[in-house]
Amino acid sequence: KAGVTQTPRYLIKTRGQQVTLSCSPISGHRSVSWYQQTPGQGLQFLFEYFSETQRNKGNFPGRFSGRQFSNSRSEMNVSTLELGDSALYLCASSFQGAANEKLFFGSGTQLSVL
Amino acid sequence: AQTVTQSQPEMSVQEAETVTLSCTYDTSENNYYLFWYKQPPSRQMILVIRQEAYKQQNATENRFSVNFQKAAKSFSLKISDSQLGDTAMYFCAFTDHSGGGADGLTFGKGTHLIIQP
Repeated sequence: KAGVTQTPRYLIKTRGQQVTLSCSPISGHRSVSWYQQTPGQGLQFLFEYFSETQRNKGNFPGRFSGRQFSNSRSEMNVSTLELGDSALYLCASSFQGAANEKLFFGSGTQLSVL
Repeated sequence: AQTVTQSQPEMSVQEAETVTLSCTYDTSENNYYLFWYKQPPSRQMILVIRQEAYKQQNATENRFSVNFQKAAKSFSLKISDSQLGDTAMYFCAFTDHSGGGADGLTFGKGTHLIIQP
């Protein structure tokens, strides 16, 4: 069974641009979560999608948005990029997104904003 | 808001030794879940072990075990017979059972564990 796939692995953008990151969950998993990882703030929860609906959102500005498609693949979009958005963005999937479920993570997308 | 604290930024031990990573958390909830995730240089987070707060028995997974002290809000990870492949960042994480859907994990800042040959 293929794992969680995130594309691209690396991305370089300039301030003010927008970016879209992609995540393909494990087959059969319907919940996809996104996390931002930075040296200063550590790992922070962005949002979670289940059956194409956002069920929960972390404390991030509206510039961060996402969506989920009928095949459970998810995309995350960041508009008007700022230098502080430079981070590793991790996607995780699970079967139902229940609190006690094991999350399966991808290898992340490293975003650099210049 | 829940917080997770890992007080050891970095630890180094010899191969085959036993090492304990500490984690404390703060919550007003009674029902919650605790996890240890490992992040090797490949960046992919991998679940090491998980504990449900209502279970008094400490979780064990092969060489990995936890010491869960609910009253003290402490959740330490013990790695026995450490191996070179255990070298990684280790993150303690928490989530509660409030409402439906995934509320997201709250992570500690991590402990960089180095296993020396």
